[in-house]
Amino acid sequence: DVKVTQSSRYLVKRTGEKVFLECVQDMDHENMFWYRQDPGLGLRLIYFSYDVKMKEKGDIPEGYSVSREKKERFSLILESASTNQTSMYLCASSSLAGGVGIQYFGAGTRLSVL
Amino acid sequence: KNQVEQSPQSLIILEGKNCTLQCNYTVSPFSNLRWYKQDTGRGPVSLTIMTFSENTKSNGRYTATLDADTKQSSLHITASQLSDSASYICVGTSGTYKYIFGTGTRLKVLA
Repeated sequence: DVKVTQSSRYLVKRTGEKVFLECVQDMDHENMFWYRQDPGLGLRLIYFSYDVKMKEKGDIPEGYSVSREKKERFSLILESASTNQTSMYLCASSSLAGGVGIQYFGAGTRLSVL
Repeated sequence: KNQVEQSPQSLIILEGKNCTLQCNYTVSPFSNLRWYKQDTGRGPVSLTIMTFSENTKSNGRYTATLDADTKQSSLHITASQLSDSASYICVGTSGTYKYIFGTGTRLKVLA
C-alpha cells in the first residue's frame, strides 16, 4: 500500500514563526504536491515538484516555499506564519507511470496560527 | 477559466438508498476526470479516474459516468452504507500536473 505520511496532524504556531511541514512518501513517486483546503473552497495547489530539487509554483504560492532534497521527502515552509495561513494542509504524491497516475494523499496537517 | 462545479452541496439519505452526485467541468486541455472520497479529518482517497474515451467506470458500489460532450460527470452510490458518509470531490485534470478540484458534496447516510 502506498503511504504518504505527514509529520504532524495538528500544529499550533504564533504569528511570525517559521513553520515546517514535512511529507514523506514510500512509493518512489516522481511527483509531490502541497495543497491547502479551506471550508467552501476546493483544494488549492501551493507548490508541486516533479523531481528532486525541481519545483513549480501552484495557484497560491505567496508566503510559502518548498524543499525537495530527496525523492521521498517534500517540505512546505511558511517563512513567517500569518493568521490567514490557518488551514488544513494536504500533501500528495503520484507517479507518472501510465499517464493517469493516482494521487495519494496524506492525512493532512491542521495548522492554527495565533 | 478552468473550473469544476458540484451539486448538491450536501445530501442526506437513509442507509440502503441510492444517490447520485453531479459534476460539471470546464477544463482545457482535458486529460481525465476523477472522483475522490474524503472522510472527515482525512486526506482524499481516489475512487475512479476516467479519460476522454471512457463513459463509465465502477469501483464496488460506486459508479462514475462521464459525458465529454456536455462536460458532465456523475457518481452513483448504490445501496448506501453508514461508512459512505463523507465528502465526495470531483477533479478535472489538465495535462500531467494540473488538478482542478470541485468544492465537494457532503453526504450523510442515516441509519
